[in-house]
Amino acid sequence: DTGVSQNPRHKITKRGQNVTFRCDPISEHNRLYWYRQTLGQGPEFLTYFQNEAQLEKSRLLSDRFSAERPKGSFSTLEIQRTEQGDSAMYLCASSPKPPGPYNEQFFGPGTRLTVL
Amino acid sequence: AQKVTQAQTEISVVEKEDVTLDCVYETRDTTYYLFWYKQPPSGELVFLIRRNSFDEQNEISGRYSWNFQKSTSSFNFTITASQVVDSAVYFCALSEAVETSGSRLTFGEGTQLTVNP
Repeated sequence: DTGVSQNPRHKITKRGQNVTFRCDPISEHNRLYWYRQTLGQGPEFLTYFQNEAQLEKSRLLSDRFSAERPKGSFSTLEIQRTEQGDSAMYLCASSPKPPGPYNEQFFGPGTRLTVL
Repeated sequence: AQKVTQAQTEISVVEKEDVTLDCVYETRDTTYYLFWYKQPPSGELVFLIRRNSFDEQNEISGRYSWNFQKSTSSFNFTITASQVVDSAVYFCALSEAVETSGSRLTFGEGTQLTVNP
């Protein structure tokens, strides 16, 4: 396993369109996280899954955002009716199950979204 | 609420100089973890180190060293004999240490380090 992968790496879309991103975590990791990073800022937490259950969502995750992790493997993040303010890098991370180093998160390369 | 502050937005040094990146954190938890990540121009965050709140021993890994001082809520990162390849954005991060929670990471705003030849 070569690490966390994310697709696509870049996405350009017009305002109002829907977009979906995919994240494949490290295979033995049961925890999966989504973060958003805008230019010049640190990543901000969006949501977290343990296996297929979405256990926590940030208030940053508006109604237009939805995330899923069917079968506890890969995850998708969908943004509906995109706005220019959604332009950012969307990062996915995974971490092992306790009692391993469960808060040592390994990040993917990110999906850069540009909303025109 | 948790907060991480990296007061240095940008640092520029000449190769072979030593450089220290500052990190100050706030948390009400008594048990927590601190991290440093490196983000090179390619964009992928690279994990560098994790320390728990009960272990205040300083750590050295090659040219990297970390100074954790609970009394001042600081977790500073020093690169000795810097190299051009060290040029990147460095993030300090904090998480609570509860196995049943998400252990979300709270990041600072990052320090852009530029090492000039």
